[in-house]
Amino acid sequence: AQTVTQSQPEMSVQEAETVTLSCTYDTSESDYYLFWYKQPPSRQMILVIRQEAYKQQNATENRFSVNFQKAAKSFSLKISDSQLGDAAMYFCAYSTQGGSEKLVFGKGMKLTVNP
Amino acid sequence: NAGVTQTPKFRILKIGQSMTLQCTQDMNHNYMYWYRQDPGMGLKLIYYSVGAGITDKGEVPNGYNVSRSTTEDFPLRLELAAPSQTSVYFCAVTGQVYQPQHFGDGTRLSIL
Repeated sequence: AQTVTQSQPEMSVQEAETVTLSCTYDTSESDYYLFWYKQPPSRQMILVIRQEAYKQQNATENRFSVNFQKAAKSFSLKISDSQLGDAAMYFCAYSTQGGSEKLVFGKGMKLTVNP
Repeated sequence: NAGVTQTPKFRILKIGQSMTLQCTQDMNHNYMYWYRQDPGMGLKLIYYSVGAGITDKGEVPNGYNVSRSTTEDFPLRLELAAPSQTSVYFCAVTGQVYQPQHFGDGTRLSIL
């Protein structure tokens, strides 16, 4: 079974600085998708970024980028120029192929942004 | 365009009671999912559906039932509420294969 591990339960960053959130996963599949979701105190689940395993190029979305290391099964999220609104729980997730598109989530990491 | 609507937003149940959590989408997506999020944890899949009339178990299905009679609705039923089912429940949908899931705002359920 696929598993997703986020080993850091909490992190903090100063406003305007850069922070990297780590995620590792375990799978025997060769094709899959990886996601980072943000959950602010409002508890909404908001997609931050996604990565297709067959693409070597790392995904970027404005201040958010990933470092995808397929061989190492590592999928870290870098947040540049951190803003107060980035404070939230961040979840790494893996999506299986095969038509069901189920998500497997890590336990999450709480990010605090200090002014 | 409401997207994914979950009702109720909050509910308190007594042990042994039953209830149905509602999930409705207006995105015309085939895939629908129910997750639960326990305190300090990630989301775990309860049940999912790949289309009307088709449902399947996820990682933690015990104590729950689902049905999918229409594309729009995917209700989750708790028959005999237990304290272990205290959680936040999320419904999610997706359309095209490999597209991200869109989540509802969640239902906070407490069982006392």
